Amino acid sequence: GAGVSQSPRYKVTKRGQDVALRCDPISGHVSLYWYRQALGQGPEFLTYFNYEAQQDKSGLPNDRFSAERPEGSISTLTIQRTEQRDSAMYRCASSYTTSGGYEQFFGPGTRLTVL
Amino acid sequence: TQLLEQSPQFLSIQEGENLTVYCNSSSVFSSLQWYRQEPGEGPVLLVTVVTGGEVKKLKRLTFQFGDARKDSSLHITAAQPGDTGLYLCAGVRGTYKYIFGTGTRLKVLA
Repeated sequence: GAGVSQSPRYKVTKRGQDVALRCDPISGHVSLYWYRQALGQGPEFLTYFNYEAQQDKSGLPNDRFSAERPEGSISTLTIQRTEQRDSAMYRCASSYTTSGGYEQFFGPGTRLTVL
Repeated sequence: TQLLEQSPQFLSIQEGENLTVYCNSSSVFSSLQWYRQEPGEGPVLLVTVVTGGEVKKLKRLTFQFGDARKDSSLHITAAQPGDTGLYLCAGVRGTYKYIFGTGTRLKVLA
């Protein structure tokens, strides 16, 4: 079956532009996570959705970052007025349950480069 | 903020050697997971441990959860080049929050 997909896979933008990163989770998965991952390090939690409800956004670095999942399926992470420090790999993951400790399935990520 | 420290950060060994990776925290977790990540791909779950002191084996990999549920170890016996990758531990806090470790990059030379 289809796994988690993300688009675009690569995004190069100029400082000050807005970007929207899309995540399409595995069908039927109720939990959706966004992470940011530096090379060679573990993913850093950004935000969590339980169906369409954003249950935790404590990891979003500042108010330029926002995320939504309006119909409980596809999610978009938006970064406004991008800065060079926003350059990173952004990954989403989904899980079929809302209980922790179950497997998260990760997408291939979007590599964002801000010039 | 990384709350889980992994050691070593890098490890390069010869095929057939044994190794242990450690994952340490001052926080208690409801469960702990280990993932392996290969270049260009997302992390893939290897195992979940739930009970303090629990030991799980997956072929040549042995995972242990500390008695106090604050730390964990991954032991690989007779490493093979196919074991090469980035190993990540992840502590589960509450019902949904995963805190990933700092990562251990393993290279097994043939």
